[in-house]
Amino acid sequence: RKEVEQDPGPFNVPEGATVAFNCTYSNSASQSFFWYRQDCRKEPKLLMSVYSSGNEDGRFTAQLNRASQYISLLIRDSKLSDSATYLCVVSATSGTYKYIFGTGTRLKVLA
Amino acid sequence: SQTIHQWPATLVQPVGSPLSLECTVEGTSNPNLYWYRQAAGRGLQLLFYSVGIGQISSEVPQNLSASRPQDRQFILSSKKLLLSDSGFYLCAWSPLYGGLDEKLFFGSGTQLSVL
Repeated sequence: RKEVEQDPGPFNVPEGATVAFNCTYSNSASQSFFWYRQDCRKEPKLLMSVYSSGNEDGRFTAQLNRASQYISLLIRDSKLSDSATYLCVVSATSGTYKYIFGTGTRLKVLA
Repeated sequence: SQTIHQWPATLVQPVGSPLSLECTVEGTSNPNLYWYRQAAGRGLQLLFYSVGIGQISSEVPQNLSASRPQDRQFILSSKKLLLSDSGFYLCAWSPLYGGLDEKLFFGSGTQLSVL
């Protein structure tokens, strides 16, 4: 089993739609969780952290379910510019911080 | 503010040739440093990470090596490249002992093609 698993997609949605991605992780000792966005042939960029209480940043909402070991990302009112690959990232501590990436979910927002 | 520089942006090398990719971080001290590789259409694979000068941990056995000669400099090397070394190489940093919510920040990446 992979440490972090995501549906690769692609998710093709029309502009204005709401779309949700899930990610599962295998290490119950994982302590920090993030969503990154990666455009084609570019470096990943931090989208948002994920907290147990859930958190929102504009059109983006992230949630964490520790009991079931999954995190989610909800995008409301999708824009063309949201088209990208979304990476789920989990970090665990073993003397230092190690970040484990999912393979990413590709989103295409269609006009 | 902190910045991370990685170069070159693109590199085409023949099989069997050596490799040296360099990454430097500015605006912070004692960062954790990382090298990742992303093969075409695949996820990021952690290759090496370092918590200090001369301290390198390898995640995947391969013909690559890493060195950290200075606090904010991280170098990825190979003596002889293989075709399978092709990919998008990313350097990244995070604060040392920064707390549970400290993020990872990436350089702009090097697209390596081994022919």
